[in-house]
Amino acid sequence: DAGVIQSPRHEVTEMGQEVTLRCKPISGHDYLFWYRQTMMRGLELLIYFNNNVPIDDSGMPEDRFSAKMPNASFSTLKIQPSEPRDSAVYFCASSLGAGSGQPQHFGDGTRLSIL
Amino acid sequence: GQSLEQPSEVTAVEGAIVQINCTYQTSGFYGLSWYQQHDGGAPTFLSYNGLDGLEETGRFSSFLSRSDSYGYLLLQELQMKDSASYFCAVRAGSARQLTFGSGTQLTVLP
Repeated sequence: DAGVIQSPRHEVTEMGQEVTLRCKPISGHDYLFWYRQTMMRGLELLIYFNNNVPIDDSGMPEDRFSAKMPNASFSTLKIQPSEPRDSAVYFCASSLGAGSGQPQHFGDGTRLSIL
Repeated sequence: GQSLEQPSEVTAVEGAIVQINCTYQTSGFYGLSWYQQHDGGAPTFLSYNGLDGLEETGRFSSFLSRSDSYGYLLLQELQMKDSASYFCAVRAGSARQLTFGSGTQLTVLP
């Protein structure tokens, strides 16, 4: 079975440019999470969706960040305009339900570098 | 909010046993999970404890004491491939999301 698929795997762009990260969750999973990982801040939740509806976006750092989930099989995280401090690894994860013991399945991440 | 503490680094030799501790402060606690992440890779789920006691999965075991707000991950018969970062994570209150600790970098030496 296919896991969570993220694209692109690597992205290098200049500051000020728009960046769009993409995620395809595991089929049938009803929760989707976007995380950012840096050495300084660790693994932090940005936003999560349940049945395509954003539930909690309190982790989104600024208005420059936006996320959408137009259908059950696709989500995007957009940064516009991008800044060097946005450089990080961005992970998407999905889960079937959000019960305490439900594991989250992570994609391989997008390594973003803003020059 | 939630906070978790775990050691930043642990070193052990191949074949040994290592324990990675995690203490947490939270309200409405629902369980403690453990994830493994190799360098350059994605976090992968290892284990979950919802009740006090020990859960065993092969060479890995995880323990929880809710009264002490404490848990640990025990890795036995260490192998080189176990070198990775290990994260504890809690789900608490009405939150559906996990809050992750800062991770413990395990280095296994030959």
